[in-house]
Amino acid sequence: QKEVEQDPGPLSVPEGAIVSLNCTYSNSAFQYFMWYRQYSRKGPELLMYTYSSGNKEDGRFTAQVDKSSKYISLFIRDSQPSDSATYLCAMSATDAGGTSYGKLTFGQGTILTVHP
Amino acid sequence: NAGVTQTPKFQVLKTGQSMTLQCAQDMNHNSMYWYRQDPGMGLRLIYYSASEGTTDKGEVPNGYNVSRLNKREFSLRLESAAPSQTSVYFCASSEHSPNEQFFGPGTRLTVL
Repeated sequence: QKEVEQDPGPLSVPEGAIVSLNCTYSNSAFQYFMWYRQYSRKGPELLMYTYSSGNKEDGRFTAQVDKSSKYISLFIRDSQPSDSATYLCAMSATDAGGTSYGKLTFGQGTILTVHP
Repeated sequence: NAGVTQTPKFQVLKTGQSMTLQCAQDMNHNSMYWYRQDPGMGLRLIYYSASEGTTDKGEVPNGYNVSRLNKREFSLRLESAAPSQTSVYFCASSEHSPNEQFFGPGTRLTVL
């Protein structure tokens, strides 16, 4: 079983829809939770970054972390064709001293298409 | 700033050949990483370098070696390429937060 599970989709929605992307994980040591966006044939770029449980909002994007359920979500409001990309969740743990070394564990990515 | 650059962009190798993938960053970041991306597998960490002069294994280090040449450059070497190493390779760097990583454009490698 993979440490991080993500539905690969593909997911196709009309412009203006609310998109919900999700990941589940099994490693309770994960403390940092990230969402990266990857356009076709490009490198991933960081979209959202949260520590521990809670919500974080940035414009049309909201990231949620529920550590008790080992479940994270990314919501995209008023989706645009320019949001069409692969969305990757990523997580990392800390050592006993609380240091994170950026050893990210990624989900397999969800392919999103927003059509006009 | 160019950010993270990778060379070459594409490469085709025969089984058993060796090659080095180059990565450089101009953001003065301390930490650098090498990942591979395969269909259905997401990105997997091969090696990372938390600071100049240090390197550590990631999730899938077998068949690879790395060199942190200086603060800017972090190279990945395949000593004897195998078809299982066909993949897209990404280099990344980070500074204050190791989880906020900046990725290069990738190298598409095919091993025949």
